[in-house]
Amino acid sequence: NAGVMQNPRHLVRRRGQEARLRCSPMKGHSHVYWYRQLPEEGLKFMVYLQKENIIDESGMPKERFSAEFPKEGPSILRIQQVVRGDSAAYFCASSPGLAGTNEQFFGPGTRLTVL
Amino acid sequence: ELKVEQNPLFLSMQEGKNYTIYCNYSTTSDRLYWYRQDPGKSLESLFVLLSNGAVKQEGRLMASLDTKARLSTLHITAAVHDLSATYFCAVVRGSGANNLFFGTGTRLTVIP
Repeated sequence: NAGVMQNPRHLVRRRGQEARLRCSPMKGHSHVYWYRQLPEEGLKFMVYLQKENIIDESGMPKERFSAEFPKEGPSILRIQQVVRGDSAAYFCASSPGLAGTNEQFFGPGTRLTVL
Repeated sequence: ELKVEQNPLFLSMQEGKNYTIYCNYSTTSDRLYWYRQDPGKSLESLFVLLSNGAVKQEGRLMASLDTKARLSTLHITAAVHDLSATYFCAVVRGSGANNLFFGTGTRLTVIP
């Protein structure tokens, strides 16, 4: 049973370009979460999605950032017109969305570097 | 805003010694998680604590939860070098919520 998949693992962009980060949840999981980790810091929640729905985007910057989880295919975190401050590791997690622990399993992350 | 604080932030300990990492959170939560992260890697789930007084143990690590004090501890017994990593606690807000609020992390270095 494959775990949470993210690609690319490393992404380099110049200021002003767009970054697209992809996340495929674990098989059977319908809930996806995106977190950002700045160097030497903990993870910060960005957005929580279920298939075709954004459930909670309270952690998303108001501009340039968007996320989707279409009916078919991976979840995508999109950053438009990247700036140096966007350089970070972006982690995706998935959960089955069931009652109980609803434990989140994390992907390997995408490390974005903005030049 | 929900705040999650860990201490210490940095911990250097010798092999064979015991130590405890503390995690305080500022508001009610019905779930607390402990994760391990190795440098440049993703997060590995260690424990999920659901109720007041919950205690879980795995190898040299033991986690406990006091929901009244809003405090969780991660106790390390007879540390070994392989335990060197950064440890994070995380909580959800209230009950029924799903997004995690992470602590600042404790970077543990075990010296042979």
